[in-house]
Amino acid sequence: DARVTQTPRHKVTEMGQEVTMRCQPILGHNTVFWYRQTMMQGLELLAYFRNRAPLDDSGMPKDRFSAEMPDATLATLKIQPSEPRDSAVYFCASGRDLNTEAFFGQGTRLTVV
Amino acid sequence: AQSVTQLGSHVSVSEGALVLLRCNYSSSVPPYLFWYVQYPNQGLQLLLKYTTGATLVKGINGFEAEFKKSETSFHLTKPSAHMSDAAEYFCAVSDSDFGNEKLTFGTGTRLTIIP
Repeated sequence: DARVTQTPRHKVTEMGQEVTMRCQPILGHNTVFWYRQTMMQGLELLAYFRNRAPLDDSGMPKDRFSAEMPDATLATLKIQPSEPRDSAVYFCASGRDLNTEAFFGQGTRLTVV
Repeated sequence: AQSVTQLGSHVSVSEGALVLLRCNYSSSVPPYLFWYVQYPNQGLQLLLKYTTGATLVKGINGFEAEFKKSETSFHLTKPSAHMSDAAEYFCAVSDSDFGNEKLTFGTGTRLTIIP
């Protein structure tokens, strides 16, 4: 059963600490998305990769957020330093070329205190 | 730039009644349109999608949606609501241009089913 796997599922951290969230896309998928979900803003696209290359990270605060794909089986989203306003659920999704649907992971619920 | 507007952040219907969730989109190119469902503490699951071809699209769990270009709408319907349909529903749009697969989501509609 192919699925997008995100770790950790939950993370509580203190303000100022570094947070790394990981995503394993579905094997064979070549597009990866990071979304952030909050009550106030809804679902926001943070970053978008195609064939491991970043295509769009305009939705991501550049000063503290970074997204990478070290290889085709791993995508990471890092926040350094974390702030309370970063508290949200972060979703990774993967897909194939040409606008087929994105398959979502179960998310990482981040709480920054 | 593309955008999605979902009318009604909360919708309540009685079990067995018609479900209608509204979605209007804006896109500068022919759009691809999606409905996703999110159950509590879960990720988003695709219900149905429109890319090209038939404008009435059928999805999982008895849902369907109709693409109406003249109205820039893609409303989601189900003839008879079931208790298990209680969830949050998101409409999304992406450009049909190659290499621009990112989805832009609406703010969501929380569907409550009244027994």
